[in-house]
Amino acid sequence: GQNIDQPTEMTATEGAIVQINCTYQTSGFNGLFWYQQHAGEAPTFLSYNVLDGLEEKGRFSSFLSRSKGYSYLLLKELQMKDSASYLCAVLDSNYQLIWGAGTKLIIKP
Amino acid sequence: DAGVTQSPTHLIKTRGQHVTLRCSPISGHKSVSWYQQVLGQGPQFIFQYYEKEERGRGNFPDRFSARQFPNYSSELNVNALLLGDSALYLCASSHTGDGYNEQFFGPGTRLTVL
Repeated sequence: GQNIDQPTEMTATEGAIVQINCTYQTSGFNGLFWYQQHAGEAPTFLSYNVLDGLEEKGRFSSFLSRSKGYSYLLLKELQMKDSASYLCAVLDSNYQLIWGAGTKLIIKP
Repeated sequence: DAGVTQSPTHLIKTRGQHVTLRCSPISGHKSVSWYQQVLGQGPQFIFQYYEKEERGRGNFPDRFSARQFPNYSSELNVNALLLGDSALYLCASSHTGDGYNEQFFGPGTRLTVL
């Protein structure tokens, strides 16, 4: 079966750095996405990785290791507005997105 | 430019009824995907349409059906509603149908089945 694992919830302090991990086992791999979803809102795109390595985009970076079936999202200089759920999704061999349950990130002052 | 729009925003139905949800993609986008999201979980893929043809179907019963119109808007139909169908239904559009491009999500339709 297909499986994507993320921690259910994480807590971090404003101004700090947090790393959200995602491990996956899917039928095929055509890339991994990270989306942000604020409570009651639709997901919004953060990043896409298809090759191994680190992709940096402002305060957010995403890392991929295909051999380990592992990715992480790194958020720096945390702000209160970063409180949200972060969803990891893998594009499988059928070009369908398989989603994790999401990690709820709580930012404390 | 307008983003992805969905209607209605909220809907209350009773068991056994049917429902039609509507989605208009971003102008120029030819692919529309439908997802079901239960509270506290990630989206579950239901359907993808590209150029008016079904590109993919998730693990949902035949009570769920969809179609895409010539203007690339889409409808999701659910028959014989069950309590477990209560969820947020998300529509997402993208430029292509291969999944590589980011998907742009609409605000969703929150369906409650009583």
